Amino acid sequence: AQSVTQLDSQVPVFEEAPVELRCNYSSSVSVYLFWYVQYPNQGLQLLLKYLSGSTLVESINGFEAEFNKSQTSFHLRKPSVHISDTAEYFCAVVGSGTYKYIFGTGTRLKVLA
Amino acid sequence: DVKVTQSSRYLVKRTGEKVFLECVQDMDHENMFWYRQDPGLGLRLIYFSYDVKMKEKGDIPEGYSVSREKKERFSLILESASTNQTSMYLCASSFHLGSGNTIYFGEGSWLTVV
Repeated sequence: AQSVTQLDSQVPVFEEAPVELRCNYSSSVSVYLFWYVQYPNQGLQLLLKYLSGSTLVESINGFEAEFNKSQTSFHLRKPSVHISDTAEYFCAVVGSGTYKYIFGTGTRLKVLA
Repeated sequence: DVKVTQSSRYLVKRTGEKVFLECVQDMDHENMFWYRQDPGLGLRLIYFSYDVKMKEKGDIPEGYSVSREKKERFSLILESASTNQTSMYLCASSFHLGSGNTIYFGEGSWLTVV
């Protein structure tokens, strides 16, 4: 079985500052990892995902995440945040050969002017 | 673009009513899901369907049932709504299992049971 932990429920950060949202997972099989973003009153949208290959993956809006197998982590980072990045971010894992996507409890990113 | 459409965004129902939440996807996806989202609990899987008329229970199926008569449509049914089923319900779909395919979500349905 897989599990996902997002330790930070809320992260306030000033505009143009860097941010890291933490995600740790556990699994007995190989996994695929995802970050989703949810803006207020909307569904979840894929931000980026790791399937295989390069451990650093990037999104089109400046976010990146690094898969670290030894630390079982997939932290999300952005070097300079904007007000429009204010949203809730969910880390998710699915085990290879399984259907069950396991979501973390989410991290609310609040970007302050 | 993949489109997952949930027909009702906001519903208010009375305790004991039967509630139908409808979801349609336009990408010929095999797999469809119903999740429930609650603050501090993240997303919890209610039911999953991997083909027409096929379904599997998720983590919290109690009090819910589902129907998938056509590939593009997946319905969530609350047989007798209760106040503890007040929540945001998210429908999702994806292609084949097991290869890390992206799961696509609808906009969500806010259900209030009074």
